[in-house]
Amino acid sequence: EAGVVQSPRYKIIEKKQPVAFWCNPISGHNTLYWYRQNLGQGPELLIRYENEEAVDDSQLPKDRFSAERLKGVDSTLKIQPAELGDSAVYLCASSSRDSPQGYGYTFGSGTRLTVV
Amino acid sequence: EDKVVQSPLSLVVHEGDTVTLNCSYEVTNFRSLLWYKQEKKAPTFLFMLTSSGIEKKSGRLSSILDKKELFSILNITATQTGDSAIYLCAATKSAGANNLFFGTGTRLTVIP
Repeated sequence: EAGVVQSPRYKIIEKKQPVAFWCNPISGHNTLYWYRQNLGQGPELLIRYENEEAVDDSQLPKDRFSAERLKGVDSTLKIQPAELGDSAVYLCASSSRDSPQGYGYTFGSGTRLTVV
Repeated sequence: EDKVVQSPLSLVVHEGDTVTLNCSYEVTNFRSLLWYKQEKKAPTFLFMLTSSGIEKKSGRLSSILDKKELFSILNITATQTGDSAIYLCAATKSAGANNLFFGTGTRLTVIP
């Protein structure tokens, strides 16, 4: 079974440019998360989806960040325009409602964004 | 404000040593404490702890939770170079959501 797939693995852009990250969760996982991990820090939740609905986006900087999860499967996270402080690893994870809390929570390999 | 604090921030040991990593938490409606190992980018699951005083073991790794003192420890015995990684702990809440609140992590380096 394929895990959580993210692309691209790395992205280098100039500030003020747009960027998008893509995530394909584990088949059948209804919950999808986007986390941001700054250097030397633990991951922080940006947004959580239950199927296609964003149920927790309180930590998403909505002036420049947007996300969507069409048809409740794949998800895209976009930043426009990017700032230097957005340099980080963006992790996607998915989980199943049927799994005990904590188990079945799988992370993708992440996208390392560098804004120059 | 919810917070999860890990210590030490980094640790360098020799192969064969035993290490103890600490995680304290202050989280409203706390439900469980999870440990992850992060070698490159994707954190991989190690343990989930929900009950106090019950040790969980997996090979050379073990972990225990103290819900009275609000902390957990992760022990690694007979360390190997392959144990070099960042170890993250995270708390979950009982409010139905599965969001993870992570600490800053402990970077463990095991030298031959």
